[in-house]
Amino acid sequence: NAGVTQTPKFRVLKTGQSMTLLCAQDMNHEYMYWYRQDPGMGLRLIHYSVGEGTTAKGEVPDGYNVSRLKKQNFLLGLESAAPSQTSVYFCASSFPTGVNTEAFFGQGTRLTVV
Amino acid sequence: KQEVTQIPAALSVPEGENLVLNCSFTDSAIYNLQWFRQDPGKGLTSLLLIQSSQREQTSGRLNASLDKSSGRSTLYIAASQPGDSATYLCAVSPILTGGGNKLTFGTGTQLKVEL
Repeated sequence: NAGVTQTPKFRVLKTGQSMTLLCAQDMNHEYMYWYRQDPGMGLRLIHYSVGEGTTAKGEVPDGYNVSRLKKQNFLLGLESAAPSQTSVYFCASSFPTGVNTEAFFGQGTRLTVV
Repeated sequence: KQEVTQIPAALSVPEGENLVLNCSFTDSAIYNLQWFRQDPGKGLTSLLLIQSSQREQTSGRLNASLDKSSGRSTLYIAASQPGDSATYLCAVSPILTGGGNKLTFGTGTQLKVEL
């Protein structure tokens, strides 16, 4: 059982380049999330999805787009990368309601924009 | 806006000591609170989840308590070991409105357990 898998694990981009981060989960979770982690600021929510075909903005959505074409996948896109997007990105998933709403996280993608 | 604070930011203890990590939050309208562990350069590992209707949860040497009315949670680690060295994060989710189980995180407590 792989849980939540993120691809790639590391990436260096030049300013203005684009890229897509892939998140895949095999727990049949309805909810999926993208967070970024910066020193001294904790994790902040970028975008999230409550089901296949739906997405919504989180706390820091500017400069990012997302898509959830399949229930098990959640993609995070950077159309024109900026140095301010240098961060560690985490994907998470969970069930929506009930007793077990525990969130499970991937191992992270370390992105550097130069 | 929900704010989560963790004190202390860093803690160093000798092996075998019992310790308490603190987490406070400003809005008591939460659905659950989750404690995570993060090792350097790694992802987050869920330790304990406490539903808002619960007072505590236990897993092995870990015990987490929740006092929703005062906006506080504690993570108690018994008989600490060097392998417990990591950053511990707490996070709260709001009462569900169909808008996702979104987590608000604290900045963590960096724990070092020394031999």
